[in-house]
Amino acid sequence: QQQVKQSPQSLIVQKGGISIINCAYENTAFDYFPWYQQFPGKGPALLIAIRPDVSEKKEGRFTISFNKSAKQFSLHIMDSQPGDSATYFCAASIRSGTYKYIFGTGTRLKVLA
Amino acid sequence: GAVVSQHPSWVICKSGTSVKIECRSLDFQATTMFWYRQFPKQSLMLMATSNEGSKATYEQGVEKDKFLINHASLTLSTLTVTSAHPEDSSFYICSAAWDTEQYFGPGTRLTVT
Repeated sequence: QQQVKQSPQSLIVQKGGISIINCAYENTAFDYFPWYQQFPGKGPALLIAIRPDVSEKKEGRFTISFNKSAKQFSLHIMDSQPGDSATYFCAASIRSGTYKYIFGTGTRLKVLA
Repeated sequence: GAVVSQHPSWVICKSGTSVKIECRSLDFQATTMFWYRQFPKQSLMLMATSNEGSKATYEQGVEKDKFLINHASLTLSTLTVTSAHPEDSSFYICSAAWDTEQYFGPGTRLTVT
């Protein structure tokens, strides 16, 4: 019940296309869902995060869509660029808890020039 | 804001020796810090949760006598890998918690020869 399932494992998108990464969770106590971007040899960097009281959040080319009833959330990268090529991790946590995150397994995105 | 540093960024040590990795929150105070281990092309594996002034909480399967964690102040946590072996070679990442978020350090690449 503590798992966060992430798909796809890898993704190849043409430059200018839309990249979509999906995550699903079981624990309804989760109330905070961040996405992280990680480049090789670097630590993860927070991209965007959402709380379950909203269904969508947009920051620049990055959008999170959240479906509370389906217990799913997804990251959309619009106008994908080669510089977006990285590994993306979704996560879930309980805000009133220990700050502990449950991470998805990661998606390796490659954007072709 | 919310910058976390790690030192060193990479280290090579001989089998049987100990190595210390520092994690610092540079512009905020973090009562909770986390230590992760990441194998190539895999997700982040939480090793332990470190709270300032108290003993760290280790995840199941993590040897607390091998991975010593000290959270001496609100801005510094250290991970000491004792009696290192080649199988301890990995990418170690810390994070510091502040206002619901976890902010990650750049990681430390440990190679044990």
